[in-house]
Amino acid sequence: DAGVIQSPRHEVTEMGQEVTLRCKPISGHNSLFWYRQTMMRGLELLIYFNNNVPIDDSGMPEDRFSAKMPNASFSTLKIQPSEPRDSAVYFCASSLYRNQPQHFGDGTRLSIL
Amino acid sequence: QQQVKQSPQSLIVQKGGISIINCAYENTAFDYFPWYQQFPGKGPALLIAIRPDVSEKKEGRFTISFNKSAKQFSLHIMDSQPGDSATYFCAGGAGSYQLTFGKGTKLSVIP
Repeated sequence: DAGVIQSPRHEVTEMGQEVTLRCKPISGHNSLFWYRQTMMRGLELLIYFNNNVPIDDSGMPEDRFSAKMPNASFSTLKIQPSEPRDSAVYFCASSLYRNQPQHFGDGTRLSIL
Repeated sequence: QQQVKQSPQSLIVQKGGISIINCAYENTAFDYFPWYQQFPGKGPALLIAIRPDVSEKKEGRFTISFNKSAKQFSLHIMDSQPGDSATYFCAGGAGSYQLTFGKGTKLSVIP
């Protein structure tokens, strides 16, 4: 069974550019999570979707960040405009239901120059 | 945000030894405590998890010990192997959906 698939694996772009990260959750999972991992702050939950609906976006750092889940098999996290402090590894995770274990993708390493 | 404090930050253990990682939490609403293992370039992978109605859970060489009154829990890795070298994260969650992670422990098992 395929795991959570994220793309791209690496992204390097200049400050001010729009960045779009993509995630395909495990088939049949109805909960999806976006996390950010940095050395300073560790793993932080950014947003949580249940049945494609955003339930909790309190972790989204500011209005430059937005996330969508147009269908059960695809989600995007967008940063516009990007800033150097957004450099981090972004993970997507999914779970069968909201109280089931979360399965992580291998992340997107984002570098903003 | 309620914290989960994890220690030590790094750990070096001899092959065959016992690795012990400790976590303490603040949020009494937490009812789910997973441990994740992360290798370089990979996402965290669920290793073992416990709910507060039991004091210990064992899966193979991995054991979670849980002390509800002290709000502490720990991961023990018995007979540690070089393949166990990774970063380990504890977490706490209420209903397991919103997980608060510790800062991680980098474990190195030397031959």
